[in-house]
Amino acid sequence: QVQLVESGGGLVKPGGSLRLSCAASGFTFSDHYMSWIRQAPGKGLEWISFISDSGTSIFYAASVKGRFTISRDNAKNSLYLQMNSLRAEDAAVYYCARENITSDYWGQGTLVTVSS
Amino acid sequence: DIVMTQSPDSLAVSLGERATINCKSSQSVLYSSDNKNYLAWYQQKPGQPPKLLIYWASTRESGVPDRFSGSGSGTDFTLTISSLQAEDVAVYYCQQFFSTRTFGQGTKVEIK
Repeated sequence: QVQLVESGGGLVKPGGSLRLSCAASGFTFSDHYMSWIRQAPGKGLEWISFISDSGTSIFYAASVKGRFTISRDNAKNSLYLQMNSLRAEDAAVYYCARENITSDYWGQGTLVTVSS
Repeated sequence: DIVMTQSPDSLAVSLGERATINCKSSQSVLYSSDNKNYLAWYQQKPGQPPKLLIYWASTRESGVPDRFSGSGSGTDFTLTISSLQAEDVAVYYCQQFFSTRTFGQGTKVEIK
């Protein structure tokens, strides 16, 4: 069965950095685009980035462009999100999702808190 | 960017009654080359990630009960729960996947 497990969240100071990981299993990871989507506490869903199956095509939401970098390692069945210059408004649960037509399977998420 | 607007923000429906959620996109999400609407619906229960219910505006994901249905085309879409069950209490989101991805603000469904 499809499993996506995010890790790497935690408390970080404004201006700091964090790297999130998403471990995928139960499907052929290298066949699928993958996304990162976040949800601030008590708020709605915000798509922030996706990456093509080969990693050669990448898109970002305007809110994170220039600060966040998505990447993947198909040999390790893993997706990453490098987050730099973090702001208070980046605090959220970060989900990775498999893209199959659209975001069909989601992980349980990892919480990022940005506070001094 | 395509902006998605849902209505209402919340609704309370009696068990067994119909619930209807609307979603409007700021531009058409109908792709002319395949005549498909790039619109999906998700259900999110507290403490859980979203679950895909419907894609291509009206195609139910495998395992989704047939009381959930989607309709609409172009810029106006509807999610209907034909007979509300207790387990349907959740927040529902529409999402366009015509151009990257954007979500509506969500509609909270409760029992009256």
